[in-house]
Amino acid sequence: AQSVTQLDSHVSVSEGTPVLLRCNYSSSYSPSLFWYVQHPNKGLQLLLKYTSAATLVKGINGFEAEFKKSETSFHLTKPSAHMSDAAEYFCVVSPASNTGKLIFGQGTTLQVKP
Amino acid sequence: DTEVTQTPKHLVMGMTNKKSLKCEQHMGHRAMYWYKQKAKKPPELMFVYSYEKLSINESVPSRFSPECPNSSLLNLHLHALQPEDSALYLCASSQEVFGEQYFGPGTRLTVT
Repeated sequence: AQSVTQLDSHVSVSEGTPVLLRCNYSSSYSPSLFWYVQHPNKGLQLLLKYTSAATLVKGINGFEAEFKKSETSFHLTKPSAHMSDAAEYFCVVSPASNTGKLIFGQGTTLQVKP
Repeated sequence: DTEVTQTPKHLVMGMTNKKSLKCEQHMGHRAMYWYKQKAKKPPELMFVYSYEKLSINESVPSRFSPECPNSSLLNLHLHALQPEDSALYLCASSQEVFGEQYFGPGTRLTVT
């Protein structure tokens, strides 16, 4: 069975410092992986996606993620945090079953301090 | 344009009321979804429509009734809800029933 684990429930960084949000997945095949961001009282916005092309994926707002099959990881990074990055981040797996059922991690709250 | 719209933005209803949530997309997507999200939790899938037909019902109580009138519209009819049904209800769509989903802004529902 596929699963997603976000290793930190809460991450706090200072503005201008790097961001690292960690995600491990469990899958018997090469899955499609996504990162979504959710600002308070908003819907989820797709940040980036991995679909078995390049292992380093660039997304919106300066975020990127690297797919590492050997480590079953898909960590999200950004070189320099901005106050507007404060939000909830979800790592998501799309199974190959093609049912539309996404598997969500529990989320990581990113706090950015001035 | 990757926009999914939802109305209303906020809804307060009593336990005996009947109300509906509406979702619309004009991206030509053939799959649409309803999710329920409680505070500080990931979204929970409720229903999946594929080519206007219900393909997944995640054992949702019958007081929630989905409807897909056409390929661009998705409704969620609400009746006799309970206070624990208070949540953010999100609609999403995707090209097919795999791959990335695009979410609407949600409807904040409060049941009194």
